[in-house]
Amino acid sequence: SQTIHQWPATLVQPVGSPLSLECTVEGTSNPNLYWYRQAAGRGLQLLFYSVGIGQISSEVPQNLSASRPQDRQFILSSKKLLLSDSGFYLCAWSVWRGGYTFGSGTRLTVV
Amino acid sequence: AQSVTQLDSQVPVFEEAPVELRCNYSSSVSVYLFWYVQYPNQGLQLLLKYLSGSTLVKGINGFEAEFNKSQTSFHLRKPSVHISDTAEYFCAVSEAETSGSRLTFGEGTQLTVNP
Repeated sequence: SQTIHQWPATLVQPVGSPLSLECTVEGTSNPNLYWYRQAAGRGLQLLFYSVGIGQISSEVPQNLSASRPQDRQFILSSKKLLLSDSGFYLCAWSVWRGGYTFGSGTRLTVV
Repeated sequence: AQSVTQLDSQVPVFEEAPVELRCNYSSSVSVYLFWYVQYPNQGLQLLLKYLSGSTLVKGINGFEAEFNKSQTSFHLRKPSVHISDTAEYFCAVSEAETSGSRLTFGEGTQLTVNP
């Protein structure tokens, strides 16, 4: 079956610390992958998307970066977190004629 | 390019009352339409989708939506809501018949069901 795993579920990090959020997909190959952020529990902001290994498109200039080292792995990173990076981060992959399947999300609080 | 407008940011309703969450879209090509539900601190879950065929689409948890091409709308309805339906609801659109087409999301509607 096709599943998506995202971790950790919650994370509290100090300002200036690095970040690494991981997302992996099972049961499919060469998926389109996405990272979204929700601030204050509302609205979905597309951060990055990837159509293949090493192929990353950034939607919004920011303090974050993304990488796709393997076909079914998508990583969101930051070298130095800002307070404004706090939010709920969601990974998703697109299904042909099925929209997106979302991970369970990571609640990031930068303190 | 597509766009989605969810006409209500918040919808309060009493338990067992009917509810309609409104969604309008804009697109120059044929589209697929989706409704997602998000419970607090969880990812989005697909409620229902319209790809083609019957304009009335039934989804999980007793929800249904009707595709109206002339009015470019895809409103979500439920005849009788429960407390457990309290959640954020997102309407989304993608370009039809295009592999890997990205979804465009509305801003969301917070449905709050009160006892």
